[in-house]
Amino acid sequence: AQSVTQLGSHVSVSEGALVLLRCNYSSSVPPYLFWYVQYPNQGLQLLLKYTTGATLVKGINGFEAEFKKSETSFHLTKPSAHMSDAAEYFCAVSEGEGNKLVFGAGTILRVKS
Amino acid sequence: NAGVTQTPKFRVLKTGQSMTLLCAQDMNHEYMYWYRQDPGMGLRLIHYSVGEGTTAKGEVPDGYNVSRLKKQNFLLGLESAAPSQTSVYFCASSYGLGLYNEQFFGPGTRLTVL
Repeated sequence: AQSVTQLGSHVSVSEGALVLLRCNYSSSVPPYLFWYVQYPNQGLQLLLKYTTGATLVKGINGFEAEFKKSETSFHLTKPSAHMSDAAEYFCAVSEGEGNKLVFGAGTILRVKS
Repeated sequence: NAGVTQTPKFRVLKTGQSMTLLCAQDMNHEYMYWYRQDPGMGLRLIHYSVGEGTTAKGEVPDGYNVSRLKKQNFLLGLESAAPSQTSVYFCASSYGLGLYNEQFFGPGTRLTVL
């Protein structure tokens, strides 16, 4: 079975600073990877996904992620944090029959003014 | 399009009571899912369905049952609620075949079992 590890349950950055949220996966086959965002009291919204091809994936709201097979990583970045980026972020890998998602534990991003 | 909707939004149960959570999607998606979200544990899959009339167990199926009688609806039942089932429940749907297909999530149901 595949698994996802998100390093850091809480990350705090200043407004305008770089955002880096870490995700490592384990998979015996080429993975399909996703980043979702959850704003307070809402459902999950897709930020971006990696399927095949280009390893640098651009998503919504200025986020991007780079797939590094050698490091089994799919870290999420944004050059300049906004207050509106404060949310919980989940990394996930798709597996098996039913395209089930295996989620990491999540990282809560706090943006300080 | 409403996307994925869930009913109810909030519910408080007493131990031993039963209830059904309803999920509906208007995107003609083949696959549907039920997850629970607990602090520090991400989302864990309870049950899923790959088409009308089919259901399958996920990672944490004990204490739950599901039904998919119509393509657009996926019901999650708790026959005898326990405090350990206090959680936020999310329904999701996706187009179907292809691991690259993302899932679309509903707004969630917050359930408290006393």
